[in-house]
Amino acid sequence: DTGVSQNPRHKITKRGQNVTFRCDPISEHNRLYWYRQTLGQGPEFLTYFQNEAQLEKSRLLSDRFSAERPKGSFSTLEIQRTEQGDSAMYLCASSLRLAGLFYNEQFFGPGTRLTVL
Amino acid sequence: AQSVTQLGSHVSVSEGALVLLRCNYSSSVPPYLFWYVQYPNQGLQLLLKYTSAATLVKGINGFEAEFKKSETSFHLTKPSAHMSDAAEYFCAVSDETRANNLFFGTGTRLTVIP
Repeated sequence: DTGVSQNPRHKITKRGQNVTFRCDPISEHNRLYWYRQTLGQGPEFLTYFQNEAQLEKSRLLSDRFSAERPKGSFSTLEIQRTEQGDSAMYLCASSLRLAGLFYNEQFFGPGTRLTVL
Repeated sequence: AQSVTQLGSHVSVSEGALVLLRCNYSSSVPPYLFWYVQYPNQGLQLLLKYTSAATLVKGINGFEAEFKKSETSFHLTKPSAHMSDAAEYFCAVSDETRANNLFFGTGTRLTVIP
């Protein structure tokens, strides 16, 4: 399967613990996005990378959140000192940005569902 | 700022009936518009997109949407609902100045009644 993959699919943790999620994009895609989706809401943009550079972060991304894409391939999203309000589905998407092409379609992974007790 | 509003958080239709899911957008620049479908515990799948070409866009699974600038709308339709269409549908807006970041509506849950 050459789609976007995310691990783990489900994570249950206690408040105050740290968690890390991984996203593996489609192999040739140079852009990678993270979104958060809470119950009954649409996904909300968190951050995106072009290759290994993190180019934009939403104000939703508090200082407890950090994302990396060290080699421009897979990405990790870490949440430190988790809070119950962090419970959500975390979605990753990737796309291929080509020079001169104004739009690049995003392909989504299945998401990681986080439950903070 | 960009945003979309989806009217109706829940829509129920009978199998074989017309599906109409409403989306209105707000954008200060020419928008790109999308409809995504999400099945339970799954990620998002792109149904169709408008990127300033033809205003009537055809997508997968028999869905289509029409971009109406005068009404700032991008409603999703399907002539005949199938049981497998039951899912959550999200409208989203983007543009090239924002690195194509997607801004989603709150979603519409479609129920198909046999």
